Amino acid sequence: QQQVKQSPQSLIVQKGGISIINCAYENTAFDYFPWYQQFPGKGPALLIAIRPDVSEKKEGRFTISFNKSAKQFSLHIMDSQPGDSATYFCAATWGANNLFFGTGTRLTVIP
Amino acid sequence: KAGVTQTPRYLIKTRGQQVTLSCSPISGHRSVSWYQQTPGQGLQFLFEYFSETQRNKGNFPGRFSGRQFSNSRSEMNVSTLELGDSALYLCASSTGTVQETQYFGPGTRLLVL
Repeated sequence: QQQVKQSPQSLIVQKGGISIINCAYENTAFDYFPWYQQFPGKGPALLIAIRPDVSEKKEGRFTISFNKSAKQFSLHIMDSQPGDSATYFCAATWGANNLFFGTGTRLTVIP
Repeated sequence: KAGVTQTPRYLIKTRGQQVTLSCSPISGHRSVSWYQQTPGQGLQFLFEYFSETQRNKGNFPGRFSGRQFSNSRSEMNVSTLELGDSALYLCASSTGTVQETQYFGPGTRLLVL
């Protein structure tokens, strides 16, 4: 079964707007939550990652919010740009390198 | 530094055949992980090799196997191909420290007819 649930499946945002992608998990052993960005024809690339001992992590326009009690985490992209149009995957793992990925969100930013 | 390279980039095979895919990690990286990406199942972990040993394994049948050489290059093999094996196969390299950044290659797209 899907260990990490991701929504929405697709998202359309105006340039300058905020893109929000949500993920939920059940396995409380997970201790590392990365987000990956994938452009067509390319492999995924790490965007930002968080561990459950912090509730928020920000890197430039990208922020992860983490809610340990709700077992949810989300990616916020501020001031979204057309160049951000890509597929985004959340993932989780515990004590290892085998990542459990969400199903992906295709983001389109309209100029 | 050169990135992760995968060969071949595209492959067409028929059912019942076997296939070998190759991955060259970033120089100095000792861990290589393999993932299968399909529209239906998404990204799924196959296995990880570290210092020529399989360190972790996903939930795939025994037809999927891999190995790693002393120079950290890795190969994965799929025997008795099925139509459902059509996918993008991605490898990712990292230093080997657990949960360090994994750098993905562009993938090998396999089509099974």
